[in-house]
Amino acid sequence: EIVLTQSPTTMTASPGEKVTITCRASSSVSYMHWYQQKPGASPKPWIYETSKLASGVPDRFSGSGSGTSYSLTINNMEAEDAATYYCQQWNYPSITFGAGTKLELK
Amino acid sequence: EVKLVESGGGLVQPGRSLKLSCAASGFSFNDYWMGWVRQAPGKGLEWIGEINQDSSTINYTPSLKEKFTISRDNAQNTLYLQMSKLGSEDTAIYYCGRLAYYGRFEYWGQGVMVTVSS
Repeated sequence: EIVLTQSPTTMTASPGEKVTITCRASSSVSYMHWYQQKPGASPKPWIYETSKLASGVPDRFSGSGSGTSYSLTINNMEAEDAATYYCQQWNYPSITFGAGTKLELK
Repeated sequence: EVKLVESGGGLVQPGRSLKLSCAASGFSFNDYWMGWVRQAPGKGLEWIGEINQDSSTINYTPSLKEKFTISRDNAQNTLYLQMSKLGSEDTAIYYCGRLAYYGRFEYWGQGVMVTVSS
């Protein structure tokens, strides 16, 4: 089973700040997906296949990476971006999620 | 509009069984892999397993393979999760999801709460 390690676990950012969340895999994976979750809500698809934005996701978000290292970046943090972000990999027949990064507004 | 609605949750005693349902609408259910994910209170997401279009392939996370069974009824557009020998560690919100390429969960249900307690 591939283990995904997200960092940081929690972080705060001010409006306008650049934010980077990292997801490291214990073995190489082909793609990484990301989800945004706010309290009391289901996870929302956010970035898929490493760098593609899901429908409705603002273009201040971007995703990148390869092999064992992937990241989600927010250019110009906004209040609505405060949430928990999870990375997820698929290495058939197994799927695993990272433990999540809680992003708070400063 | 794609819609996934879970049901069947609630309070259950330790050691008992429970079956969750996920009613799908707004798409051709029998064309898609489907899956289940759970989230314990205050914790992260845990993949439970997935099932292919004709139920010929079902994959589980190893730690739950002996306790949980995923099935589907394409005629009823419904996905199921049969859970047995439930313990307090199974207390969680259970989400069903539609899977797309490379194992991503493209759509999620609203989730259903299962509480295991005496």
